Amino acid sequence: GENVEQHPSTLSVQEGDSAVIKCTYSDSASNYFPWYKQELGKRPQLIIDIRSNVGEKKDQRIAVTLNKTAKHFSLHITETQPEDSAVYFCAAFMEYGNKLVFGAGTILRVKS
Amino acid sequence: NAGVTQTPKFQVLKTGQSMTLQCAQDMNHEYMSWYRQDPGMGLRLIHYSVGAGITDQGEVPNGYNVSRSTTEDFPLRLLSAAPSQTSVYFCASSYDGRREAFFGQGTRLTVV
Repeated sequence: GENVEQHPSTLSVQEGDSAVIKCTYSDSASNYFPWYKQELGKRPQLIIDIRSNVGEKKDQRIAVTLNKTAKHFSLHITETQPEDSAVYFCAAFMEYGNKLVFGAGTILRVKS
Repeated sequence: NAGVTQTPKFQVLKTGQSMTLQCAQDMNHEYMSWYRQDPGMGLRLIHYSVGAGITDQGEVPNGYNVSRSTTEDFPLRLLSAAPSQTSVYFCASSYDGRREAFFGQGTRLTVV
């Protein structure tokens, strides 16, 4: 079935370092790939997304890259800050079935 | 500006009881979905709808029913609650699934 795999499940970095989270997807027809951040006790919120017609997108300290051939995409956070600590989810919209499927999440801890 | 309104916020059920989780959105979104969130398993899709009168199953549909009689509302029914359904449930809506999804506040359900 359609699935999205996300790694690592937990990530600890020192404040100021970079963090990278990677995801792979199964449906080659997928063309929309969002990333969500969920703070403790809160609802997930979109932080950045990318469509298949571009390979990279940046928004201040956050960037996402997409490799459609390899069916993987990554989230890059530079100059991490304590407030970046949260759970991050990648997702892919599966055109086969019209479903938005999420990865299992990455717990990011930024140590100050 | 309500967005996605999800009720209740907390619920405790006894095994075998039934209940309905309510979800309403005021953004005129066609696409609505229900997810459950369990530790280490991310957001798993239960059911989704691409428009009024249309529903479909996600990854974990067993034990749940949905209906979509209006664009605004997408209730989730637990037919006969089981301890395995203890989880946090999120409703989400988006324009067509391929744009930002807005989540409700979540329902923390405990089945004893």
